[in-house]
Amino acid sequence: EPEVTQTPSHQVTQMGQEVILRCVPISNHLYFYWYRQILGQKVEFLVSFYNNEISEKSEIFDDQFSVERPDGSNFTLKIRSTKLEDSAMYFCASGDRGLPTNEKLFFGSGTQLSVL
Amino acid sequence: EDQVTQSPEALRLQEGESSSLNCSYTVSGLRGLFWYRQDPGKGPEFLFTLYSAGEEKEKERLKATLTKKESFLHITAPKPEDSATYLCAVHTAGNQFYFGTGTSLTVIP
Repeated sequence: EPEVTQTPSHQVTQMGQEVILRCVPISNHLYFYWYRQILGQKVEFLVSFYNNEISEKSEIFDDQFSVERPDGSNFTLKIRSTKLEDSAMYFCASGDRGLPTNEKLFFGSGTQLSVL
Repeated sequence: EDQVTQSPEALRLQEGESSSLNCSYTVSGLRGLFWYRQDPGKGPEFLFTLYSAGEEKEKERLKATLTKKESFLHITAPKPEDSATYLCAVHTAGNQFYFGTGTSLTVIP
Protein backbone atom coordinates (compact mmCIF):
# COMPACT_ATOMS: atom_id res chain seq x y z
CA GLU A 1 0.00 0.00 0.00
CA PRO A 2 1.46 3.38 -0.98
CA GLU A 3 1.94 5.86 1.83
CA VAL A 4 2.52 9.52 2.56
CA THR A 5 5.84 10.12 4.29
CA GLN A 6 6.50 13.01 6.65
CA THR A 7 9.79 14.21 8.08
CA PRO A 8 10.87 14.85 10.72
CA SER A 9 8.58 12.91 13.05
CA HIS A 10 9.41 15.36 15.85
CA GLN A 11 10.65 18.95 15.60
CA VAL A 12 11.59 21.14 18.52
CA THR A 13 12.21 24.82 17.88
CA GLN A 14 12.56 28.10 19.71
CA MET A 15 9.81 30.69 19.48
CA GLY A 16 10.44 33.05 16.57
CA GLN A 17 12.42 30.52 14.54
CA GLU A 18 11.41 29.30 11.11
CA VAL A 19 10.56 25.64 10.56
CA ILE A 20 9.97 23.63 7.42
CA LEU A 21 7.90 20.49 7.62
CA ARG A 22 8.38 18.05 4.79
CA CYS A 23 6.06 15.62 3.11
CA VAL A 24 6.41 13.17 0.26
CA PRO A 25 2.92 12.54 -1.12
CA ILE A 26 1.95 9.42 -3.01
CA SER A 27 3.61 9.63 -6.39
CA ASN A 28 0.61 9.82 -8.72
CA HIS A 29 -1.44 12.14 -6.52
CA LEU A 30 -2.16 15.70 -7.56
CA TYR A 31 -3.98 17.17 -4.55
CA PHE A 32 -2.11 17.95 -1.36
CA TYR A 33 -3.24 19.11 2.04
CA TRP A 34 -1.91 20.21 5.41
CA TYR A 35 -3.83 19.73 8.64
CA ARG A 36 -2.88 20.21 12.25
CA GLN A 37 -4.07 18.75 15.55
CA ILE A 38 -3.34 20.51 18.80
CA LEU A 39 -3.14 18.02 21.64
CA GLY A 40 -6.62 17.00 22.75
CA GLN A 41 -8.33 19.10 20.10
CA LYS A 42 -9.86 18.61 16.67
CA VAL A 43 -7.96 17.99 13.50
CA GLU A 44 -8.01 21.36 11.69
CA PHE A 45 -7.71 22.01 7.98
CA LEU A 46 -4.96 24.43 7.02
CA VAL A 47 -4.55 24.44 3.26
CA SER A 48 -5.07 22.54 0.03
CA PHE A 49 -2.75 22.73 -2.97
CA TYR A 50 -3.27 21.77 -6.58
CA ASN A 51 -1.50 22.56 -9.81
CA ASN A 52 1.26 24.45 -8.00
CA GLU A 53 -1.04 26.81 -6.22
CA ILE A 54 -3.17 27.07 -3.12
CA SER A 55 -6.76 26.09 -3.86
CA GLU A 56 -8.28 26.58 -0.41
CA LYS A 57 -7.04 27.80 2.95
CA SER A 58 -8.52 28.21 6.39
CA GLU A 59 -8.41 31.22 8.70
CA ILE A 60 -5.54 29.57 10.55
CA PHE A 61 -3.34 29.70 7.44
CA ASP A 62 -2.21 33.32 7.72
CA ASP A 63 0.87 35.10 6.36
CA GLN A 64 3.05 33.21 8.80
CA PHE A 65 2.46 30.03 6.79
CA SER A 66 3.45 29.09 3.27
CA VAL A 67 3.44 25.92 1.20
CA GLU A 68 5.59 24.87 -1.68
CA ARG A 69 6.17 21.97 -3.99
CA PRO A 70 9.86 22.57 -4.67
CA ASP A 71 10.30 19.54 -6.92
CA GLY A 72 8.27 16.65 -8.29
CA SER A 73 8.11 14.73 -5.04
CA ASN A 74 8.19 17.00 -1.97
CA PHE A 75 5.48 19.19 -0.47
CA THR A 76 6.52 21.52 2.32
CA LEU A 77 4.87 23.67 4.97
CA LYS A 78 6.93 26.60 6.21
CA ILE A 79 6.14 28.46 9.39
CA ARG A 80 8.09 31.72 9.30
CA SER A 81 8.20 32.87 12.89
CA THR A 82 6.90 30.19 15.18
CA LYS A 83 4.72 30.96 18.18
CA LEU A 84 4.01 28.84 21.22
CA GLU A 85 0.49 28.18 19.95
CA ASP A 86 1.87 26.60 16.77
CA SER A 87 2.80 23.54 18.83
CA ALA A 88 0.75 20.71 17.34
CA MET A 89 0.86 17.57 15.26
CA TYR A 90 0.96 18.54 11.60
CA PHE A 91 -0.44 16.08 9.09
CA CYS A 92 0.14 16.05 5.37
CA ALA A 93 -2.39 14.32 3.11
CA SER A 94 -2.66 13.61 -0.58
CA GLY A 95 -5.31 12.40 -2.97
CA ASP A 96 -5.79 11.77 -6.65
CA ARG A 97 -8.95 13.88 -6.86
CA GLY A 98 -10.08 17.07 -5.18
CA LEU A 99 -12.62 17.28 -2.36
CA PRO A 100 -15.34 16.27 -1.98
CA THR A 101 -15.07 13.55 -4.61
CA ASN A 102 -11.76 12.39 -3.25
CA GLU A 103 -12.68 8.95 -2.02
CA LYS A 104 -9.23 8.04 -0.76
CA LEU A 105 -7.39 10.81 1.04
CA PHE A 106 -4.15 9.41 2.49
CA PHE A 107 -2.62 10.94 5.59
CA GLY A 108 0.97 10.77 6.75
CA SER A 109 1.90 9.89 10.32
CA GLY A 110 2.49 13.51 11.18
CA THR A 111 5.24 15.80 12.48
CA GLN A 112 4.97 16.71 16.14
CA LEU A 113 6.09 20.36 16.39
CA SER A 114 7.03 21.69 19.80
CA VAL A 115 7.71 25.43 20.10
CA LEU A 116 9.58 26.42 23.26
CA GLU B 1 -21.88 28.87 12.31
CA ASP B 2 -20.67 25.58 10.86
CA GLN B 3 -20.31 22.91 13.50
CA VAL B 4 -19.53 19.20 13.76
CA THR B 5 -20.23 17.35 17.01
CA GLN B 6 -19.43 13.75 17.76
CA SER B 7 -20.88 11.61 20.54
CA PRO B 8 -20.10 9.92 22.74
CA GLU B 9 -16.57 11.19 23.45
CA ALA B 10 -15.57 7.72 24.61
CA LEU B 11 -17.17 4.31 24.29
CA ARG B 12 -16.20 1.01 25.86
CA LEU B 13 -17.68 -2.14 24.38
CA GLN B 14 -17.31 -5.81 25.07
CA GLU B 15 -16.11 -7.80 22.12
CA GLY B 16 -19.18 -8.66 20.03
CA GLU B 17 -21.31 -5.86 21.52
CA SER B 18 -22.65 -3.79 18.60
CA SER B 19 -23.14 -0.05 18.91
CA SER B 20 -23.28 3.24 16.98
CA LEU B 21 -21.24 6.42 16.94
CA ASN B 22 -22.94 9.71 16.12
CA CYS B 23 -21.79 12.71 14.10
CA SER B 24 -24.15 15.70 14.09
CA TYR B 25 -23.48 18.58 11.77
CA THR B 26 -24.76 22.06 11.15
CA VAL B 27 -23.18 23.44 8.02
CA SER B 28 -24.02 25.83 5.23
CA GLY B 29 -24.43 23.18 2.59
CA LEU B 30 -22.85 19.74 2.79
CA ARG B 31 -20.62 18.62 -0.05
CA GLY B 32 -19.36 15.48 1.64
CA LEU B 33 -19.13 13.77 5.03
CA PHE B 34 -16.10 11.64 5.83
CA TRP B 35 -15.36 9.01 8.45
CA TYR B 36 -11.78 8.29 9.46
CA ARG B 37 -10.10 6.01 11.94
CA GLN B 38 -7.10 7.33 13.89
CA ASP B 39 -4.73 5.15 15.88
CA PRO B 40 -2.46 6.75 18.52
CA GLY B 41 0.47 8.59 16.96
CA LYS B 42 -0.82 8.04 13.45
CA GLY B 43 -2.60 10.10 10.85
CA PRO B 44 -6.30 9.59 10.10
CA GLU B 45 -7.09 6.59 7.92
CA PHE B 46 -9.92 7.01 5.45
CA LEU B 47 -13.01 4.85 5.93
CA PHE B 48 -16.00 6.32 4.06
CA THR B 49 -17.35 9.31 2.19
CA LEU B 50 -21.09 10.01 2.11
CA TYR B 51 -22.60 12.67 -0.14
CA SER B 52 -26.37 12.71 0.28
CA ALA B 53 -29.07 11.86 2.81
CA GLY B 54 -30.09 8.24 2.68
CA GLU B 55 -26.71 7.05 1.49
CA GLU B 56 -25.11 4.06 3.24
CA LYS B 57 -21.68 2.47 2.90
CA GLU B 58 -20.26 -0.68 4.45
CA LYS B 59 -16.83 -2.07 5.07
CA GLU B 60 -16.34 -5.24 7.09
CA ARG B 61 -17.90 -4.60 10.53
CA LEU B 62 -18.54 -0.91 9.85
CA LYS B 63 -21.53 0.74 8.24
CA ALA B 64 -21.96 4.48 7.77
CA THR B 65 -25.29 6.18 7.20
CA LEU B 66 -26.24 9.78 6.51
CA THR B 67 -29.30 11.95 7.14
CA LYS B 68 -29.73 15.69 6.63
CA LYS B 69 -28.52 16.40 10.15
CA GLU B 70 -26.30 13.54 11.22
CA SER B 71 -24.31 10.48 10.34
CA PHE B 72 -23.97 7.23 12.21
CA LEU B 73 -21.11 4.79 12.19
CA HIS B 74 -22.52 1.40 13.16
CA ILE B 75 -20.08 -1.18 14.46
CA THR B 76 -21.35 -4.74 14.36
CA ALA B 77 -19.76 -7.39 16.60
CA PRO B 78 -16.61 -5.33 17.22
CA LYS B 79 -13.22 -6.89 17.87
CA PRO B 80 -10.35 -5.50 20.00
CA GLU B 81 -8.55 -4.42 16.82
CA ASP B 82 -11.41 -1.98 16.14
CA SER B 83 -10.22 0.06 19.14
CA ALA B 84 -9.26 3.52 17.85
CA THR B 85 -10.53 7.07 17.66
CA TYR B 86 -13.16 7.53 14.96
CA LEU B 87 -13.28 10.96 13.37
CA CYS B 88 -16.06 12.54 11.37
CA ALA B 89 -15.34 15.42 8.99
CA VAL B 90 -17.45 17.55 6.68
CA HIS B 91 -16.67 19.47 3.54
CA THR B 92 -18.99 22.44 3.19
CA ALA B 93 -20.42 24.37 0.28
CA GLY B 94 -18.16 27.21 1.37
CA ASN B 95 -15.18 24.94 0.69
CA GLN B 96 -14.26 24.64 4.34
CA PHE B 97 -13.33 21.35 5.95
CA TYR B 98 -14.15 20.61 9.60
CA PHE B 99 -13.34 17.63 11.79
CA GLY B 100 -15.24 16.59 14.90
CA THR B 101 -13.36 15.87 18.13
CA GLY B 102 -13.76 12.14 17.65
CA THR B 103 -15.08 9.16 19.57
CA SER B 104 -12.50 7.05 21.35
CA LEU B 105 -13.60 3.42 21.05
CA THR B 106 -12.22 0.68 23.27
CA VAL B 107 -13.25 -2.91 22.61
CA ILE B 108 -12.56 -5.23 25.52
CA PRO B 109 -11.81 -8.90 24.80
